[in-house]
Amino acid sequence: KQEVTQIPAALSVPEGENLVLNCSFTDSAIYNLQWFRQDPGKGLTSLLLIQSSQREQTSGRLNASLDKSSGRSTLYIAASQPGDSATYLCAVRDFGNEKLTFGTGTRLTIIP
Amino acid sequence: NAGVTQTPKFRILKIGQSMTLQCAQDMNHNYMYWYRQDPGMGLKLIYYSVGAGITDKGEVPNGYNVSRSTTEDFPLRLELAAPSQTSVYFCASSRQGAQETQYFGPGTRLLVL
Repeated sequence: KQEVTQIPAALSVPEGENLVLNCSFTDSAIYNLQWFRQDPGKGLTSLLLIQSSQREQTSGRLNASLDKSSGRSTLYIAASQPGDSATYLCAVRDFGNEKLTFGTGTRLTIIP
Repeated sequence: NAGVTQTPKFRILKIGQSMTLQCAQDMNHNYMYWYRQDPGMGLKLIYYSVGAGITDKGEVPNGYNVSRSTTEDFPLRLELAAPSQTSVYFCASSRQGAQETQYFGPGTRLLVL
């Protein structure tokens, strides 16, 4: 059974710093991995989707990497801003399975 | 486009009552999903649909029912509400399944007392 872990559960960093969020998964036979952002009381917004054949995806100040062999993904945020404060969730899709398995998220606070 | 919309935003139910959570999307997506999110936990898939008339169980389907009579709508039915169903419910859609980005609605917060 696939399990997705995100550590730490919460992170606070000063504005302007670069930071890395971590996601690990137990079964490396994944189809893809997605990173989502969730603001308090709101739904999820997809940030980046990495297919299993890809090593990384970039969007603006965000860069996500995928290492299937080690069961890890990272989300790199450059030059953090207060507006980046949110909970960040990763989710994996296994082959032959329509289900996404979500981690419990990292709550990020950017301190002005 | 409004994207994925959900109603109501918040509801309090008494144990044993029933209700329907509404979900609609205007992106002509084939796939639609219902998730629940409990505090401190990841989202769990309840049911999903790959097109009108086709639904399938997810990870936690007990206590829920769904139907998909149109491409746009995917309601979730709770027949006999229980305190364990207190949660935040999210509807999502995607064009071609989990191989593509899923778009989420704003959620329905349900409290069963």
